Amino acid sequence: EVQLVESGGGLVQPGGSLKLSCAASGFTFSGSAMHWVRQASGKGLEWVGRMRNKANYYATVYAASVKGRFTISRDDSKNTAYLQMNSLKTEDTAVYYCARSVEGGAIDYWGQGTLVTVSS
Amino acid sequence: QAGLTQPPSVSKGLRQTATLTCTGNSNNVGNQGATWLQQHQGHPPKLLSYRDNNRPSGISERFSASRSENTASLTITGLQPEDEADYYCSAWDSSLSAWVFGGGTKLTVL
Repeated sequence: EVQLVESGGGLVQPGGSLKLSCAASGFTFSGSAMHWVRQASGKGLEWVGRMRNKANYYATVYAASVKGRFTISRDDSKNTAYLQMNSLKTEDTAVYYCARSVEGGAIDYWGQGTLVTVSS
Repeated sequence: QAGLTQPPSVSKGLRQTATLTCTGNSNNVGNQGATWLQQHQGHPPKLLSYRDNNRPSGISERFSASRSENTASLTITGLQPEDEADYYCSAWDSSLSAWVFGGGTKLTVL
């Protein structure tokens, strides 16, 4: 059974930093691309970014709204993906989902999400 | 970043058929095809179909997808109370190098 379990969410002040983790199991993590998608309360889904697998040089790409502030990384030995969020803004407040896709394919599995609240 | 366009809401009766639409452009829906997701309140999204009309294992045949040029559609037949949810389309946008989502359609089953 595929499982994606996010952790690390919480309350942070504007301008602060937070690092989310996504522990994966039930599939070949090292062969997959890993994504982060967020959803503000009562709003739609917003793609944050993606890291490809080793064969694709761990290439990353980000949404314009987070580029330069957020960084995706992964540790294939731990089957874990990360989202480092810096210079956080109130508009970054959302549930953050970890998700995966096969390379070149659709996002097919999603975690349960972790809530990040940016507020003073 | 530009997203895909979905109607905000659709209402249909029990056992009726609902068709949800998603309009993009030649860089996303028209090029890569669309993915459809279902999201119940308080739950993560669930994949319903990908690359226009491929259903993952375990997804009911009542859900079918199609595409005509830059517009994708999701048809749900024999509507059931459990189909009441938010439905999102998404696609890879080759010009933006980003996944784009529609704003979502809230489906109400009367």
